[in-house]
Amino acid sequence: NAGVTQTPKFQVLKTGQSMTLQCAQDMNHEYMSWYRQDPGMGLRLIHYSVGAGITDQGEVPNGYNVSRSTTEDFPLRLLSAAPSQTSVYFCASSLGASQPQHFGDGTRLSIL
Amino acid sequence: DAKTTQPNSMESNEEEPVHLPCNHSTISGTDYIHWYRQLPSQGPEYVIHGLTSNVNNRMASLAIAEDRKSSTLILHRATLRDAAVYYCILKMGGTYKYIFGTGTRLKVLA
Repeated sequence: NAGVTQTPKFQVLKTGQSMTLQCAQDMNHEYMSWYRQDPGMGLRLIHYSVGAGITDQGEVPNGYNVSRSTTEDFPLRLLSAAPSQTSVYFCASSLGASQPQHFGDGTRLSIL
Repeated sequence: DAKTTQPNSMESNEEEPVHLPCNHSTISGTDYIHWYRQLPSQGPEYVIHGLTSNVNNRMASLAIAEDRKSSTLILHRATLRDAAVYYCILKMGGTYKYIFGTGTRLKVLA
């Protein structure tokens, strides 16, 4: 079982560059979400989706875009990277709104 | 949004029970209480969740106060592998929004 797969695991960007963090799950989960975790902090919700074609904002959505064209994939786009977006990014999925979330291993992103 | 308050850190001896407290005095009637833990350099891992009644699973027990303003995660016999940051989270009723706090760092002593 692959579960939740995030790619890449590490990435270094320059300020102003754009990139997409990939997240895929093979559990047929309807619900997916993106979080960021800064050093010594808890996770903060960026965006989430309750099904294909449906997305909504979390606590810290500014600077990030998402789309959900399929059940399996939920990519996170940084349109113009800023040093403040240096963080570890986690993707999660769950079968239902109150069901346990399954997390990926994270993407460590540094922006210079 | 309802918030949770947890101690920054706790210590426990191996093989002894651990009680991790969480205060959530502004919880609403439809908020679920979730616990996750995060081992070093890993993504969070689900532990347990509940609404009103106490819950048990193979990993832990969750004791919820009658007024729901606090809860306690109970690890029955701590092992070295239980050393992690434990997050008490309220999931807003009717939404998919999980609000994480800073959690409790549990240290298990051999």
